[in-house]
Amino acid sequence: QQQVKQSPQSLIVQKGGISIINCAYENTAFDYFPWYQQFPGKGPALLIAIRPDVSEKKEGRFTISFNKSAKQFSLHIMDSQPGDSATYFCAALRGDSSYKLIFGSGTRLLVRP
Amino acid sequence: GAGVSQSPRYKVAKRGQDVALRCDPISGHVSLFWYQQALGQGPEFLTYFQNEAQLDKSGLPSDRFFAERPEGSVSTLKIQRTQQEDSAVYLCASSLTGARAPLHFGNGTRLTVT
Repeated sequence: QQQVKQSPQSLIVQKGGISIINCAYENTAFDYFPWYQQFPGKGPALLIAIRPDVSEKKEGRFTISFNKSAKQFSLHIMDSQPGDSATYFCAALRGDSSYKLIFGSGTRLLVRP
Repeated sequence: GAGVSQSPRYKVAKRGQDVALRCDPISGHVSLFWYQQALGQGPEFLTYFQNEAQLDKSGLPSDRFFAERPEGSVSTLKIQRTQQEDSAVYLCASSLTGARAPLHFGNGTRLTVT
């Protein structure tokens, strides 16, 4: 059972464009939603995270938008750069758990120069 | 100091062999996680340690998988009688405390079972 559904599977964006990756969840017990970035041959690294009491969080060119009623959240990468080319994973953590992070299936982003 | 270190980086095992994968977490990190990542998929939770205590091993696929962290620092994931379906990247992560703090992942061990 896929608890966090991520789309699209892959994405190609021109340099300077906006990359948008979407995630949806069913379990309303989730209360922490991080995004991780993974380069080939490397482990994932935390990019940005949000809690459901906030509708938007911005860090530099990266923004998370959160829609609690729709149980959806998305990552927006503004002014996308070739160095942003990587695989992005959304994830979710239940409020009654401090450790069992559930990851989405990933989106492979390619930013063309 | 340095980040999370995993060894070996690559491991090829013949079906039926036992393997041991090592993880050196960041010094002082209480929490240690093991994840399995199949090709083109997201990491799947295997097990969680808080110091030396294994608090959750619900993600371990079978009783052939065993993890330990005897002194609350280095951890070893052991797979007995490896099967082809065990082929994956095994990721170790550590954090100061739990998954609401940033998880610091190692670069993983790529296990190939032939």
